[in-house]
Amino acid sequence: KNQVEQSPQSLIILEGKNCTLQCNYTVSPFSNLRWYKQDTGRGPVSLTIMTFSENTKSNGRYTATLDADTKQSSLHITASQLSDSASYICVVSDRGSTLGRLYFGRGTQLTVWP
Amino acid sequence: EADIYQTPRYLVIGTGKKITLECSQTMGHDKMYWYQQDPGMELHLIHYSYGVNSTEKGDLSSESTVSRIRTEHFPLTLESARPSHTSQYLCASSENGGRHVYEQYFGPGTRLTVT
Repeated sequence: KNQVEQSPQSLIILEGKNCTLQCNYTVSPFSNLRWYKQDTGRGPVSLTIMTFSENTKSNGRYTATLDADTKQSSLHITASQLSDSASYICVVSDRGSTLGRLYFGRGTQLTVWP
Repeated sequence: EADIYQTPRYLVIGTGKKITLECSQTMGHDKMYWYQQDPGMELHLIHYSYGVNSTEKGDLSSESTVSRIRTEHFPLTLESARPSHTSQYLCASSENGGRHVYEQYFGPGTRLTVT
């Protein structure tokens, strides 16, 4: 069964600190992995997309890593800001269909305190 | 910010009413999607479209229906709303590029509450 599991479910950190969110998946055949940021009451916004051949990608203070062999990914946030408070969703796409089916994790709820 | 819009943003309606959730995008994307999301849960695909006059059901069974008469417009309709339909509904569209590595852009969502 294709699944995407994220940990931790929730995380509280102080402003300025770093944190790392984890994602494990069983989606096969694998096409790409995305990290989205979803603010409360808003739609998800893409942070990074990585294909099989990429093992790291950065977007400002966000750095995603991918280990396609162990089917694990992480999202590292550097020097957190209050605006980083949001849900971070790991999404994996398969290449078994024309649609490019997306499998969503439940997200990690990050809260940044001043 | 992506050019994809949803209205209304919030809707509280009584049981049995017919409702239509609007979704429009100005990016010229062929593929459009409707997702349902409950608090703390993952997004579930309920409908998608490859283009005009193309609609398909997604993975999660839904009593809603969709139509795609124009490229930019993908409305979702519930003929008779029930409390079990209370949820957040997210519309998305994706680029017409490479087969699998395509960006998917989401609208702000409609929070529906059926009393």
